[in-house]
Amino acid sequence: QSALTQPPSASGSPGQSVTISCTGTSSDVGGHKFVSWYQQHPGKAPKLMIYEINKRPAGVPDRFSGSKSGNTASLTVSGLQAEDEADYYCSSYAGSNNFVFGTGTKVTVL
Amino acid sequence: QLQLQEAGPGLVKPSESLSLTCTVSGGAITSSDYYWAWIRQPPGKGLEWIGSLYYSGSTHYNSSLKSRVSISPDTSKNQFSLNLSSVTAADTAVYYCAGLHDAPTEFDFWGQGTLVTVSS
Repeated sequence: QSALTQPPSASGSPGQSVTISCTGTSSDVGGHKFVSWYQQHPGKAPKLMIYEINKRPAGVPDRFSGSKSGNTASLTVSGLQAEDEADYYCSSYAGSNNFVFGTGTKVTVL
Repeated sequence: QLQLQEAGPGLVKPSESLSLTCTVSGGAITSSDYYWAWIRQPPGKGLEWIGSLYYSGSTHYNSSLKSRVSISPDTSKNQFSLNLSSVTAADTAVYYCAGLHDAPTEFDFWGQGTLVTVSS
């Protein structure tokens, strides 16, 4: 399966919002509710931020939100903070017990 | 809270096999509450799902690696392992093990990762 498509970079000033897209196909993003998002700081392991399109694990700030329309999922970070600067990856269940990740987006807080 | 720790050689020669183990604490790998996975990340690149191990013992692999990969449990040590055969430089990556809670649909817990370099 091919990687999901994300923009290479996104940026915003502190307090602003940034939205990252994740485009797949009807076989993955468009066909399932199991879309998740991960935050990865340099040299660290990824951290689950959103699961099942728009659910937040315990401890994840409500500044992080997710949505999906058709074959494209989105992650929005509102009220940007310096610690939000990181790489973000989407992931989707792709059927037949397979998973696919996105290409990754580097978020810069200006 | 589930904790995972990868271990294995940091350097593997081309054409040989890469073997890593993931030690799990805070939960049993045989528990129906959890599923397990390996994920890798080449230097400076994105994440790639390698495969998953279900508590039932069934395994599922990325089709691009399926002919070279196997994931197996060691219940006596509460570990699961990754074996990747016939490696090339393209297999150089940070390898992560992960735990999936309740359903095999998102990667809830991650190990710190271990860098494996394929080079002669």
